[in-house]
Amino acid sequence: EVQLVESGGVVVQPGGSLRLSCAASGFTFDDYTMHWVRQAPGKGLEWVSLISWDGGSTYYADSVKGRFTISRDNSKNSLYLQMNSLRTEDTALYYCARDIAAAGTGFGFDYWGQGTLVTVSS
Amino acid sequence: QSVLTQPPSASGTPGQRVTISCSGSSSNIGSNYVYWYQQLPGTAPKLLIYRNNQRPSGVPDRFSGSKSGTSASLAISGLRSEDEADYYCAAWDDSLNVVFGGGTKLTVL
Repeated sequence: EVQLVESGGVVVQPGGSLRLSCAASGFTFDDYTMHWVRQAPGKGLEWVSLISWDGGSTYYADSVKGRFTISRDNSKNSLYLQMNSLRTEDTALYYCARDIAAAGTGFGFDYWGQGTLVTVSS
Repeated sequence: QSVLTQPPSASGTPGQRVTISCSGSSSNIGSNYVYWYQQLPGTAPKLLIYRNNQRPSGVPDRFSGSKSGTSASLAISGLRSEDEADYYCAAWDDSLNVVFGGGTKLTVL
């Protein structure tokens, strides 16, 4: 059974930093591109970033470019999101999601975690 | 302001057929696959339709997707109370982003 479990969400002050983690199990992690998607309270979904199976390609939403860094450790079946210079508008539930395409990138998400809540507030 | 445009709300009675639209542009829907997600209250989103019109295993055939030009649609036939949820369309955009619609809240009357 595919499982994605996010962790690391906390309350942090504006300008602060945070690292989110996503532990994957139930599939061959290094076969898949992985994504982060977020949802502000009461709002819609917003794609944040993706990383290819080998970490060689990364893409970011304009809203986080230059502040967030996505990475992965295939030996640990883990995905990460380093978040710097946090702003109040970064407050959201952050989901880890698996890309639909094995050995490629389909830009769709077939499995999602339950999310970890990041609150940026003074 | 979302890149893909969806109606904020839709409604229907049990057994009815409901359609949710998703409008984009040549850089997203017009040249890439469309995906649809269902988000039940308090839960993570779930993949409903992939590659414009394909259903993952376990998704009832009451759900169907279509795409024409720069627009796409999700149709739900035989509406049931458990279909009450938020629905999102999404696509890759050639500006190197995944873009979502703003979401449609479906109410089963």
